Amino acid sequence: DAGVTQSPTHLIKTRGQQVTLRCSPKSGHDTVSWYQQALGQGPQFIFQYYEEEERQRGNFPDRFSGHQFPNYSSELNVNALLLGDSALYLCASTEQGKLAYEQYFGPGTRLTVT
Amino acid sequence: DAKTTQPPSMDCAEGRAANLPCNHSTISGNEYVYWYRQIHSQGPQYIIHGLKNNETNEMASLIITEDRKSSTLILPHATLRDTAVYYCIVRAFTGTASKLTFGTGTRLQVTL
Repeated sequence: DAGVTQSPTHLIKTRGQQVTLRCSPKSGHDTVSWYQQALGQGPQFIFQYYEEEERQRGNFPDRFSGHQFPNYSSELNVNALLLGDSALYLCASTEQGKLAYEQYFGPGTRLTVT
Repeated sequence: DAKTTQPPSMDCAEGRAANLPCNHSTISGNEYVYWYRQIHSQGPQYIIHGLKNNETNEMASLIITEDRKSSTLILPHATLRDTAVYYCIVRAFTGTASKLTFGTGTRLQVTL
């Protein structure tokens, strides 16, 4: 059983560009959350998707948007990239209604903005 | 979610017990204590959680004080592979898969 997978593993973009990151949840999971982790910091919650809708959102600007597909996979889109968007982007999946310990994280996508 | 306070770093000799403290003095009665760890450049990994009783699993033990204002994660026989950042998180179970609020955690260095 594959766990949470993310693609790509690494990405380099230029300021002002747009980027799309992808996440496939663990089998049986229907809820996907995205986190941003800057160097030396803990992960910060961006938003969560369930039933193809954004259900919760952290303190991130509208440049950050997402999508969930009928197969529960998800995309994170970031527009007008800034240098400060350089970070590890983590995807976590779970089943709606489960306790926090049943959230599984993927290995992340390392985004570098130059 | 209640705020947690952890020391920024700790060292432990391999084979010895690693005791990682966490303060959560504003914890509410319905909030659980969770521990996750993050090995370098990987996603966080769940370790253990508890409400008010001490808990043990194959990875660690969790000791929660009687007033629930602090807890200690114990790795009984630390190995080099336990070198990681350990996060203590307090949150309520609201019936929905809500967000995890991470702090900066404790960086545990296990040495020979």
